Amino acid sequence: ILNVEQSPQSLHVQEGDSTNFTCSFPSSNFYALHWYRWETAKSPEALFVMTLNGDEKKKGRISATLNTKEGYSYLYIKGSQPEDSATYLCAPQTGANNLFFGTGTRLTVIP
Amino acid sequence: DAGVIQSPRHEVTEMGQEVTLRCKPISGHNSLFWYRQTMMRGLELLIYFNNNVPIDDSGMPEDRFSAKMPNASFSTLKIQPSEPRDSAVYFCASSSGGDFGYGYTFGSGTRLTVV
Repeated sequence: ILNVEQSPQSLHVQEGDSTNFTCSFPSSNFYALHWYRWETAKSPEALFVMTLNGDEKKKGRISATLNTKEGYSYLYIKGSQPEDSATYLCAPQTGANNLFFGTGTRLTVIP
Repeated sequence: DAGVIQSPRHEVTEMGQEVTLRCKPISGHNSLFWYRQTMMRGLELLIYFNNNVPIDDSGMPEDRFSAKMPNASFSTLKIQPSEPRDSAVYFCASSSGGDFGYGYTFGSGTRLTVV
């Protein structure tokens, strides 16, 4: 079991605002860090997989950074839209198939 | 590809009954995972298979839970006998696996209610 902390637990922002949230994890035995987007009544959808310290990934208005030495990752959303409303999960990977999910940050974008 | 296919989508059963959840992974994916989602603990890994072989079942809550993967295209998660505290959404996921840095593809989940 890995201690994965995501903050904040929930977040409400106005449409157009930019926002970010954090994933903290133990830096030992690190192999990769996954971010997933999980809309209500759907299944989690992979956003990014990052493996190297200093990695930055971008997908449209969403980007993520990774610091493996201090054990954290940030997810950024620029110009939030209502369709960005979802729970964002991070999952550090410690082995070939050892993925530990955090409990997520629930984002609500208010039109 | 139709993605990861789970059945049934919803299952309501009485306490004590046997429940079988089914999963068809993406063709070519060699790793398969069963997760349970609860309000308290989020997504918990129950068991995963690599090349049809169970690798880690340490997340299986107790002996009432069992999982099989008889071939590369099918897996089952069985609960016998079921209890109300087993009520949750059960997700199956598959990946190219065996290597690092591959994302998982999740099925739509089975919502289990045990009354």
